[in-house]
Amino acid sequence: AQKVTQAQTEISVVEKEDVTLDCVYETRDTTYYLFWYKQPPSGELVFLIRRNSFDEQNEISGRYSWNFQKSTSSFNFTITASQVVDSAVYFCALSEGETSGSRLTFGEGTQLTVNP
Amino acid sequence: KAGVTQTPRYLIKTRGQQVTLSCSPISGHRSVSWYQQTPGQGLQFLFEYFSETQRNKGNFPGRFSGRQFSNSRSEMNVSTLELGDSALYLCASSLGDRAKNIQYFGAGTRLSVL
Repeated sequence: AQKVTQAQTEISVVEKEDVTLDCVYETRDTTYYLFWYKQPPSGELVFLIRRNSFDEQNEISGRYSWNFQKSTSSFNFTITASQVVDSAVYFCALSEGETSGSRLTFGEGTQLTVNP
Repeated sequence: KAGVTQTPRYLIKTRGQQVTLSCSPISGHRSVSWYQQTPGQGLQFLFEYFSETQRNKGNFPGRFSGRQFSNSRSEMNVSTLELGDSALYLCASSLGDRAKNIQYFGAGTRLSVL
């Protein structure tokens, strides 16, 4: 069965610090997709990135970067020069297979607080 | 393009009552999924509908049901409410029903059961 683990429940940093959010996943499928979402206090989950299991290239988008390593089943997320607006709960999620629908399995989430 | 719209945003019900939540997907999206979010259990998948058919179902009791209309709008119903049903219910829409599809979420309906 699929599983996603975010071991860091809460992280608190000071503005401009770099911060990495860890995500470890388990799956038996060779085809799967990994996602990161951000949930601000308003409640809506905001999509950040999708990665498929065949593409291990790291990705950078502005201050955000993602490191996907199949060897360690990890998909970590780094925010460079954090800002107060980055404060939110961040979720890592997994969906499997090609025909099993678009069901997401979420990690427990990491509450990130960026202090001024 | 309008995002995923969920109504109502807040609901207060008492035990034993039933409730219906509504979700309007992004225009052109044919798949709608529902998730329950609680402090104790986190985000859990309820079910997914695609072209008016239930595609996937999570591990929830039969009191939780849903449906999808021909315009892709979806409703979720919970009968005989229990205190433990208090949660944020999130709806997500995507273009199709494949694992690769990105799901876009609404702001949720916060249900309180007293």
